[in-house]
Amino acid sequence: GAVVSQHPSRVICKSGTSVKIECRSLDFQATTMFWYRQFPKQSLMLMATSNEGSKATYEQGVEKDKFLINHASLTLSTLTVTSAHPEDSSFYICSARKGGGAYNSPLHFGNGTRLTVT
Amino acid sequence: QKEVEQNSGPLSVPEGAIASLNCTYSDRGSQSFFWYRQYSGKSPELIMFIYSNGDKEDGRFTAQLNKASQYVSLLIRDSQPSDSATYLCAVNNAGGTSYGKLTFGQGTILTVHP
Repeated sequence: GAVVSQHPSRVICKSGTSVKIECRSLDFQATTMFWYRQFPKQSLMLMATSNEGSKATYEQGVEKDKFLINHASLTLSTLTVTSAHPEDSSFYICSARKGGGAYNSPLHFGNGTRLTVT
Repeated sequence: QKEVEQNSGPLSVPEGAIASLNCTYSDRGSQSFFWYRQYSGKSPELIMFIYSNGDKEDGRFTAQLNKASQYVSLLIRDSQPSDSATYLCAVNNAGGTSYGKLTFGQGTILTVHP
């Protein structure tokens, strides 16, 4: 069964508004979660690493003030897309290692959030 | 730049055949390797992972790793139409600021026709 839950699965918003996406680890604690983005017909690109109790670390080229990440508890990370624009329309997917696994253990993915900005 | 390369395909095989998917990676220090399956519009689903050189089998799937050649592959035996999907190769980055992160290849589209 699913080990990572993501909500909402689909959201449509108007340009300039903000959207919050939630990612929860089920039945395990995740001190680290990863946020990916996938554009059509492209592979997954890591946006940022969410760290419980501390600041997220962002990949090169990802605006931290635009993509706000909060990891306030051991089972919940949120990604807020602020002042969304049509070019932010994408498939956003969070992931975590089950059971606080070692750095080389598999990542399990949430079901993803399809964001459309009109 | 740590890279993971896959042939984007599409790879088309008949039902019942063996599908062979290949992946090369640039980071010699990588220690763990993963294959994910992604259906259209869905998120990736873990199929296999492998850490050591050689073969690892799980049901109809076999992962093969050759660290000297920086090559990892996935074989799917007795392919079924339900195996039609995009297969993503992912490599765990060895260290530095990329410690613990996965880098994904662009994926290979597999089509299994009846």
